[in-house]
Amino acid sequence: GAGVSQSPSNKVTEKGKDVELRCDPISGHTALYWYRQSLGQGLEFLIYFQGNSAPDKSGLPSDRFSAERTGGSVSTLTIQRTQQEDSAVYLCASSLDKGRGDGYTFGSGTRLTVV
Amino acid sequence: GESVGLHLPTLSVQEGDNSIINCAYSNSASDYFIWYKQESGKGPQFIIDIRSNMDKRQGQRVTVLLNKTVKHLSLQIAATQPGDSAVYFCAELHPGTYKYIFGTGTRLKVLA
Repeated sequence: GAGVSQSPSNKVTEKGKDVELRCDPISGHTALYWYRQSLGQGLEFLIYFQGNSAPDKSGLPSDRFSAERTGGSVSTLTIQRTQQEDSAVYLCASSLDKGRGDGYTFGSGTRLTVV
Repeated sequence: GESVGLHLPTLSVQEGDNSIINCAYSNSASDYFIWYKQESGKGPQFIIDIRSNMDKRQGQRVTVLLNKTVKHLSLQIAATQPGDSAVYFCAELHPGTYKYIFGTGTRLKVLA
């Protein structure tokens, strides 16, 4: 596609439920990143996928968070047993390589609200 | 809907004036920096970048200054326009990694 597409754009869920957030990167981009943006905060790195390499999961805040990237394209971020502190905007970005400069493109994000 | 970053530092400028947004970065070995602009409901968009072997870089109406001695970046916007209203983030690329570390952001409000 022309840009990075994320769905849903908004998600309200009850505490304790599982949620799945989807990211469609730009076609041909081998690198894919998930970031979290909490109210009044900067962007917090969560996870990085590059080609067929093992993902870097070092930013995931707890074992309730996991992510997959199927076929080197679409990625899903799953949050199990959601907590109120998980409420944030979850942003996905993709790039051709390591994402220098304007090759690093963000989606519009998924706003997650846990009630 | 509610905007992300309601409690961010805010810079208010008159339309037509110049804006200066500042950022402190964390790692003295970082060698690449980007300024992003984020409008409400959208993801961050690239504005301008600079490598550590430069002190200044100019784009269209924007200039980035890098002071490595004090680990400081600034973004200057000339003749600020209403469309410049947004949250601005600096990001540093940690050396030897692919991870960007983002600042907390500054909200720019342009007054008519």
